[in-house]
Amino acid sequence: QKEVEQNSGPLSVPEGAIASLNCTYSDRVSQSFFWYRQYSGKSPELIMSIYSNGDKEDGRFTAQLNKASQYVSLLIRDSQPSDSATYLCAVNPQYGNKLVFGAGTILRVKS
Amino acid sequence: KAGVTQTPRYLIKTRGQQVTLSCSPISGHRSVSWYQQTPGQGLQFLFEYFSETQRNKGNFPGRFSGRQFSNSRSEMNVSTLELGDSALYLCASSPDRGANYGYTFGSGTRLTVV
Repeated sequence: QKEVEQNSGPLSVPEGAIASLNCTYSDRVSQSFFWYRQYSGKSPELIMSIYSNGDKEDGRFTAQLNKASQYVSLLIRDSQPSDSATYLCAVNPQYGNKLVFGAGTILRVKS
Repeated sequence: KAGVTQTPRYLIKTRGQQVTLSCSPISGHRSVSWYQQTPGQGLQFLFEYFSETQRNKGNFPGRFSGRQFSNSRSEMNVSTLELGDSALYLCASSPDRGANYGYTFGSGTRLTVV
């Protein structure tokens, strides 16, 4: 079992729709969780962090964490073509002083 | 505020050669981590340095090594290059030890081994 799992996609949504990206992790005592966006040919950019169960909203982005289910999600409201990118879920496990990344989900927003 | 600076941006090397990549973290950040990114394996953790000490190392062969200087700048070295080492090498900095606050990545060094 991979430490962090994501559906590779591509996930295609029409412009203006809600995009829902999901991630599961294996280390039950993981402490912090992140979503990164990576455009083709660029480096990952941190867009959301979440540390406790529930929802965290920042503009059009909402991160959701459910530690009991070991599940993290990212919702993008009013999706725009500029949101088309690969979204990487990253988890900081209890030990290791590192982030473990999922393989990423490709999002395509069609105008 | 300057971001994470990696040099060079692109490298082409021949099998068997060695290469050194450089990373300057965000001013004030003391933790530097290195990752390898390939289409097949995604982002794989190489190692993390804090205050000139390697705190954590990923599952890579000994050909991959690194160090951190007193000004927090870091270098990584790959010796006896293999074709499979072709990848994007990313440096990331963090304000403290560990990854609790996430990382800020540099633009990366794209290494091609021929």
